[in-house]
Amino acid sequence: GQNIDQPTEMTATEGAIVQINCTYQTSGFNGLFWYQQHAGEAPTFLSYNVLDGLEEKGRFSSFLSRSKGYSYLLLKELQMKDSASYLCAPIDSNYQLIWGAGTKLIIKP
Amino acid sequence: GAVVSQHPSWVICKSGTSVKIECRSLDFQATTMFWYRQFPKQSLMLMATSNEGSKATYEQGVEKDKFLINHASLTLSTLTVTSAHPEDSSFYICSARDQAGGDTGELFFGEGSRLTVL
Repeated sequence: GQNIDQPTEMTATEGAIVQINCTYQTSGFNGLFWYQQHAGEAPTFLSYNVLDGLEEKGRFSSFLSRSKGYSYLLLKELQMKDSASYLCAPIDSNYQLIWGAGTKLIIKP
Repeated sequence: GAVVSQHPSWVICKSGTSVKIECRSLDFQATTMFWYRQFPKQSLMLMATSNEGSKATYEQGVEKDKFLINHASLTLSTLTVTSAHPEDSSFYICSARDQAGGDTGELFFGEGSRLTVL
């Protein structure tokens, strides 16, 4: 079967760094997306990884290890507006995104 | 970046009526659009894949006669919830993939449509 595993909720302090982990099992693999979703809004794109390694984009970085079925999203210099859910979504052999329940990130002052 | 427009943002209707939601790609062509449903505090669930010029592909458990999808052009897909009932109340979100990006190109999401059925 297909499965995504992310922590349900995480808490971090403004200005700090947080890493959100994601492990996945899919039928085939064609890359992995990370999306940010604020409550009541549609998801917004953060990153796409298809090769192993780290992709850096400003305050956000995403890492992928295909052999381990593992990815993480790293958020630096946390801001209050980063409070949101973060969704890990691998793409299976049919090029469909497989959504996890997401990780709710709470930022405290 | 690319923009996907979804309309209406909010809709309230009586039980038994039908509601149509539009999804438009404003500055790119999308041969494939996706429709999702998200109940409160739950993850996005793919309902169907909308293919331009052909029938939509529905996920298991989604009634195709209840959720009618039409993708008549490369920039417009519509979802019609027929004979809506209170249990259909949800947040419906569409996404589109820029066909220039291929099968693994970034998905762009619409703003979502919140449906409340009384």
